[in-house]
Amino acid sequence: EDQVTQSPEALRLQEGESSSLNCSYTVSGLRGLFWYRQDPGKGPEFLFTLYSAGEEKEKERLKATLTKKESFLHITAPKPEDSATYLCAVRPPTGTASKLTFGTGTRLQVTL
Amino acid sequence: DGGITQSPKYLFRKEGQNVTLSCEQNLNHDAMYWYRQDPGQGLRLIYYSQIVNDFQKGDIAEGYSVSREKKESFPLTVTSAQKNPTAFYLCASRLAGGDEQFFGPGTRLTVL
Repeated sequence: EDQVTQSPEALRLQEGESSSLNCSYTVSGLRGLFWYRQDPGKGPEFLFTLYSAGEEKEKERLKATLTKKESFLHITAPKPEDSATYLCAVRPPTGTASKLTFGTGTRLQVTL
Repeated sequence: DGGITQSPKYLFRKEGQNVTLSCEQNLNHDAMYWYRQDPGQGLRLIYYSQIVNDFQKGDIAEGYSVSREKKESFPLTVTSAQKNPTAFYLCASRLAGGDEQFFGPGTRLTVL
């Protein structure tokens, strides 16, 4: 069974204090790993898709990387507006429906 | 503006009542999905549809029903058979041939 584990569950950073969120997965033949941002009471917002080990994607202060077993979401010099829950999801190789398996998320709080 | 809309934003239901959640998209996406989100758990797939007039059960379909009569619409009915319906419900859609799912703003259902 496909599994996605995110750590830590919660992270509190001061503004400007860089850190990384982890997403480890067990799936045979990954067809895609996805990062989303979710604000309280809202739907997830798509951030990145990664397909192969060594791939990196960047957007403003966020950079996502992928290895064969895990993905990292690096946050450089975060600001309070980066506070949100970050979700990771994987797509297994079978089927065409693009069914995703989600982790439970990392709740990030950035303070002044 | 293209996007996914869900209504209502909040919904209250008495035990024993059926209730229908609306999901509409004007992105011309082919596939649509319903997820349920509970505190401390990852998003769980309820139903999905890849084309009009066709849909499949996800991991937690018991107590739910759907229809897909139009490409733009994928309503979810929460029936009285669903034992624990209080949750945040999210609708998503995906373009055929694409991998990313895009989410609506969600409906919070509370059973009184």
